[in-house]
Amino acid sequence: EAQVTQNPRYLITVTGKKLTVTCSQNMNHEYMSWYRQDPGLGLRQIYYSMNVEVTDKGDVPEGYKVSRKEKRNFPLILESPSPNQTSLYFCASTKGAGSGYTFGSGTRLTVV
Amino acid sequence: QKEVEQNSGPLSVPEGAIASLNCTYSDRVSQSFFWYRQYSGKSPELIMSIYSNGDKEDGRFTAQLNKASQYVSLLIRDSQPSDSATYLCAVNLNDMRFGAGTRLTVKP
Repeated sequence: EAQVTQNPRYLITVTGKKLTVTCSQNMNHEYMSWYRQDPGLGLRQIYYSMNVEVTDKGDVPEGYKVSRKEKRNFPLILESPSPNQTSLYFCASTKGAGSGYTFGSGTRLTVV
Repeated sequence: QKEVEQNSGPLSVPEGAIASLNCTYSDRVSQSFFWYRQYSGKSPELIMSIYSNGDKEDGRFTAQLNKASQYVSLLIRDSQPSDSATYLCAVNLNDMRFGAGTRLTVKP
């Protein structure tokens, strides 16, 4: 089954404790992206990647890191999480700029 | 001005009616336009894409695009309670930009 897999689905952590949210797609897509979704603000792009080793900042990159060492994987790293990063996170992938995204199931992160 | 704007709603229609969802975008160079449906607590799901001016129909859904007016809409005919969700408009130039979404409720 073609899909984007995110883990974990739910995560509660404490301020300052580094964490990684994994994302993997099995569709051989070139493009991958991370979004966060907050009430009233919609989906905001954190980082995106157009190919292996090519990443770029989205609208809200502060406090986040990404890497794209393999085409299928695009992990999101929070080096020192803060409470304002409490949000619902989505990873998504697409075969090209003119195609729609396939989204992962989401990761609900709470930073206390 | 936001890049992609939608009426936040909520929009409520009776079962069997036509639901009309609207979206405007600011970048004239945008070429690809999408509608996603998001049920509460779930991830967005692509339901329509449109690239040329005019209408595109898929079952009960019709997407309409007017590039001169920078306007894209989604019509849902014979609305069903299962259509109750938030609908996200998205525009793709170099990366995908989303509107804040319109919450639709279809009342039985």
